[in-house]
Parts: sequence; structure tokens; C-alpha cells
Amino acid sequence: NAGVTQTPKFRVLKTGQSMTLLCAQDMNHEYMYWYRQDPGMGLRLIHYSVGEGTTAKGEVPDGYNVSRLKKQNFLLGLESAAPSQTSVYFCASSRGTVYGYTFGSGTRLTVV
Amino acid sequence: AQSVTQPDIHITVSEGASLELRCNYSYGATPYLFWYVQSPGQGLQLLLKYFSGDTLVQGIKGFEAEFKRSQSSFNLRKPSVHWSDAAEYFCAVVPRSGSARQLTFGSGTQLTVLP
Repeated sequence: NAGVTQTPKFRVLKTGQSMTLLCAQDMNHEYMYWYRQDPGMGLRLIHYSVGEGTTAKGEVPDGYNVSRLKKQNFLLGLESAAPSQTSVYFCASSRGTVYGYTFGSGTRLTVV
Repeated sequence: AQSVTQPDIHITVSEGASLELRCNYSYGATPYLFWYVQSPGQGLQLLLKYFSGDTLVQGIKGFEAEFKRSQSSFNLRKPSVHWSDAAEYFCAVVPRSGSARQLTFGSGTQLTVLP
């Protein structure tokens, strides 16, 4: 049982480049989330999805786009990377709002 | 403004000593309350959660938390800390109503355990 899998685990981008982070879950969860973690700031919600084909903005959505074409996958895109997007990105999934979230192991992104 | 606060950025305890990590929240109604742990280089793992009922909640790894409505607090405790407990701990909440019903995290408390 893999749970939540994030790819890639590490990536270095140059300013202005684009990339997509992939999150896959095998628990048939309806809800999926993307967070970023920065020192001293905890985790902040970027975007989330309450079901296949739906997405919504979180606390810090600027500079990111997402898609949920399949229930098991939630993609996070950076169209034009900026150094301020250097962070650790975590994907999570859950059965519903008040259930505990299952987190992936994270993607460490550095934008130079 | 709604918020969840962890007043202690870093705590150091000796192995075998007791531990208490503080969490305070500011919401109109008591939110759903959670504690997560993050080991170095890992994702977050749910330790325990409080929805209603008994104010003392038992979790995994020997942790417990006490909800105190009068203090708007949900502090995490462990009677005897093990070296493997060294990690970062996050308090988190989900509001019981409104449109923003996603998990919101405190800024975290880094725990160091001395041998």
C-alpha cells in the first residue's frame, strides 16, 4: 500500500523554467491538497481539490496551477518559476475535510 | 483573525524527561484539532485528533493531548521522551463551519532530545 507518492523528490530549476509536480494516491480519497513548507511558517495551502475535475485556491495560490483529471492524481504546475518558489512541497489526501490527512514524503524544489 | 499558534519554536529536553508542546487557537467556535509529527526528511504523520467528548485524547507513539476550552489550547504531552521523538511537531485545525474548511497549520515546534 503506497499511500501518497510524490515525484520527483528533488528538482533544481532556473528562474523562468516550468515544471509539473505529480501526486498520486491509491486510497480512493476524494480530497487532495498541495502545501508548501518554508522555515518558521509551517505548511501553507496552495490549492486543493474536493473531487475529480474540481480545484480551488488555498492560502498562497499565486504562481501555481493545478489539475485533477483523474481521481488518483493531483498535479501542481509552475509556469514560470521564481526564486520565491524555492520550498518543500507536500501533497496530501483525505476522505473528507475532518479526517486526518495522509501526506507524501515531499518534493524539495530549488529555483536559482 | 482566525489563527493557530505554537509559541515555542524550539524545545530541548533530556531523554526520559516529560514533554509538553503548546498550541493555542483563535476561532469563533472550537475547531477540529490535530497534532502531526514530521521526522527529518519525511512527510507528516497524524499523532492524534480531537473532535468532541473526552478532553484528554490518546494518540500514537505514547502521546496525548488535552483540550482546554477556557484557554483555547490543545497541548501535546508525553510522560517520558525517547531519542526517536526528536522531530518537528505541528498543531493544526479545521474550522467547524465556513468555506475555508481545510487543515491550517501552526508554525511548528522543533524538538531536540538530549541523551
